[in-house]
Amino acid sequence: EAAVTQSPRNKVAVTGGKVTLSCNQTNNHNNMYWYRQDTGHGLRLIHYSYGAGSTEKGDIPDGYKASRPSQENFSLILELATPSQTSVYFCASGDAGQFNERLFFGHGTKLSVL
Amino acid sequence: GEQVEQRPPHLSVREGDSAVITCTYTDPNSYYFFWYKQEPGASLQLLMKVFSSTEINEGQGFTVLLNKKDKRLSLNLTAAHPGDSAAYFCGTGGNNKLTFGQGTVLSVIP
Repeated sequence: EAAVTQSPRNKVAVTGGKVTLSCNQTNNHNNMYWYRQDTGHGLRLIHYSYGAGSTEKGDIPDGYKASRPSQENFSLILELATPSQTSVYFCASGDAGQFNERLFFGHGTKLSVL
Repeated sequence: GEQVEQRPPHLSVREGDSAVITCTYTDPNSYYFFWYKQEPGASLQLLMKVFSSTEINEGQGFTVLLNKKDKRLSLNLTAAHPGDSAAYFCGTGGNNKLTFGQGTVLSVIP
């Protein structure tokens, strides 16, 4: 079974602070994704990547950066965190192209920005 | 772009009853559809992925129906049991994009 590990599981940050959410997958999947989950909105795509060195903007990229330094790792960076970024963040990986794939999700990171 | 509306946001049924969750989508070019299940405190797991060529898809204890004419996707759980209590997310895929619905929290009361 595919394994996607997120850290931390919970994070409390202050407004204006920098936050880095990390994601590691051990399945050699090319594609990795960052979503946020909010009540009433489902999952919304923030950034994604097709492989090491690649990052692409999703549907709601403003206020977020992403980094894919290796096949295994994909980070989401909030340079200046705001309370509106309080959410649950999910990382996912997938092994097929063109989004036509099964996604394997991590357990999520609950972020609170005070 | 594609929009997916999922209803209801919350659903409570008694054990043994059926439960129906429905999604409507807007993009006629969407060509595959999926349901994910998220148990409390856990990550999302794929329940079923279906393609536009198949309108009725049966799983273990559930059926996924696709009505392309009405752009409607539904998940029908027959004889729900407490283990079905979870959040369910529908979605569509196509044009290099996945779009998720808002989610339904299902509670099955023993």
